[in-house]
Amino acid sequence: DAGVIQSPRHEVTEMGQEVTLRCKPISGHDYLFWYRQTMMRGLELLIYFNNNVPIDDSGMPEDRFSAKMPNASFSTLKIQPSEPRDSAVYFCASSLGQGRIWTEAFFGQGTRLTVV
Amino acid sequence: AQSVTQLDSHVSVSEGTPVLLRCNYSSSYSPSLFWYVQHPNKGLQLLLKYTSAATLVKGINGFEAEFKKSETSFHLTKPSAHMSDAAEYFCVVSEYNDMRFGAGTRLTVKP
Repeated sequence: DAGVIQSPRHEVTEMGQEVTLRCKPISGHDYLFWYRQTMMRGLELLIYFNNNVPIDDSGMPEDRFSAKMPNASFSTLKIQPSEPRDSAVYFCASSLGQGRIWTEAFFGQGTRLTVV
Repeated sequence: AQSVTQLDSHVSVSEGTPVLLRCNYSSSYSPSLFWYVQHPNKGLQLLLKYTSAATLVKGINGFEAEFKKSETSFHLTKPSAHMSDAAEYFCVVSEYNDMRFGAGTRLTVKP
């Protein structure tokens, strides 16, 4: 398996524009996570899905952020409208759940977002 | 709810000397514990994991960690640091549908 694949790797956009980040999890994994990493706040969990269903979106900073998982092999994180403070590295990760014991999460290479 | 504390934000060692990165956790039950490494401009890579089997866990690149329930610790060690070990290291605690990351420890390796 190629691992978790994120696109694009880098995105530069102007304030107010819509940004869509994409993620393809590892085949067979039933959990998908979106994280944001900044120097100030470290790694923050934004939202996670189980079997394509959003389970916890309490980490989504505000209504400008939305995430979808239309099928088991694809997820998007959308920011509309984008703001400079959204500049960060966004990671997608996937995991295989086994009851209450989680296997490790596998991370993509991340998308570095710069909003100017 | 569980939480994890990495006791040092930055550790600096000389090449060839031992590495110790400290991690304490709190958990209501028996958690799973992980260490991840992140090299500059890269994603996070799993170093090792503890899931209630042997308390001494060996990982990749010569790293190992020991789960000590009485001390609620899961410190990461390596006998001899290499220049390529310079990176950010994250301790992670997980139970049920919740995974918590520590703030990270930046490891610097001096020649």
